[in-house]
Amino acid sequence: EDQVTQSPEALRLQEGESSSLNCSYTVSGLRGLFWYRQDPGKGPEFLFTLYSAGEEKEKERLKATLTKKESFLHITAPKPEDSATYLCAVQESEGGSEKLVFGKGTKLTVNP
Amino acid sequence: KAGVTQTPRYLIKTRGQQVTLSCSPISGHRSVSWYQQTPGQGLQFLFEYFSETQRNKGNFPGRFSGRQFSNSRSEMNVSTLELGDSALYLCASRLYLTTETQYFGPGTRLLVL
Repeated sequence: EDQVTQSPEALRLQEGESSSLNCSYTVSGLRGLFWYRQDPGKGPEFLFTLYSAGEEKEKERLKATLTKKESFLHITAPKPEDSATYLCAVQESEGGSEKLVFGKGTKLTVNP
Repeated sequence: KAGVTQTPRYLIKTRGQQVTLSCSPISGHRSVSWYQQTPGQGLQFLFEYFSETQRNKGNFPGRFSGRQFSNSRSEMNVSTLELGDSALYLCASRLYLTTETQYFGPGTRLLVL
C-alpha cells in the first residue's frame, strides 16, 4: 500500500490559471512533510517543510498547507517557468530506522 | 555556499560490471543519503550515512553498498550490475540526523546495457 499518494499525476494549466496539487499520506507520527520541485534531468529542489496540521508556508506563487491526512500545494497565477514535477515526501520512522518516503509526483505544465 | 555535488554525472556500464558513484555534501552537513529514481518506482531510499556509519537502510539488495569518509563525502557502490539498475542516483545531505530537511544533488544518470 502506497504511503504517499499524489494527484493528479499530470496537470496542464494556462498561464494565470490557479490550481492545487494534492498529497495524501498514511504514515503515523508525522515528523515532517516536504515539497520538492524537480526539473527534467536535475535533482529535486527543496520548497517547503510542514510539521503540523494547520501549518501554511508561502513562497512566491506557491503556498503549501497541511491537514492530518493530506497536504495541498496551491499555485496562484502560474507562469511557464513553474512547469516541473512537484514531489511530496514524508519522514517515516520504522523499527528505529528513518527514511523519506516520496510520492510519484505531479507533472505540471503551464502553457503561455 | 556550494550545493551537493555528484560525480560522474553520466555513466554507461554493461551487465555484470560494478560502479562507484561519489557525493560531496553541502559544507558542514554531516549526513548523506542516497536515493534511486526510476520512472516506474519513483524516488526510493537506499541508505543514509552519518559520522562514517550507516544509520538507516532501505529495501535494496546487498549489491548496493556505500560508505562515508571523515570529511562527510560519500560513495555508493553497485556490484554485478543488472539492466534494472539503470536509474538516476541522487544524493542528499542534511546537517544532522535530527535535521529534517534534505538537499539534493543533481544526480548521476546510470545506464546499464
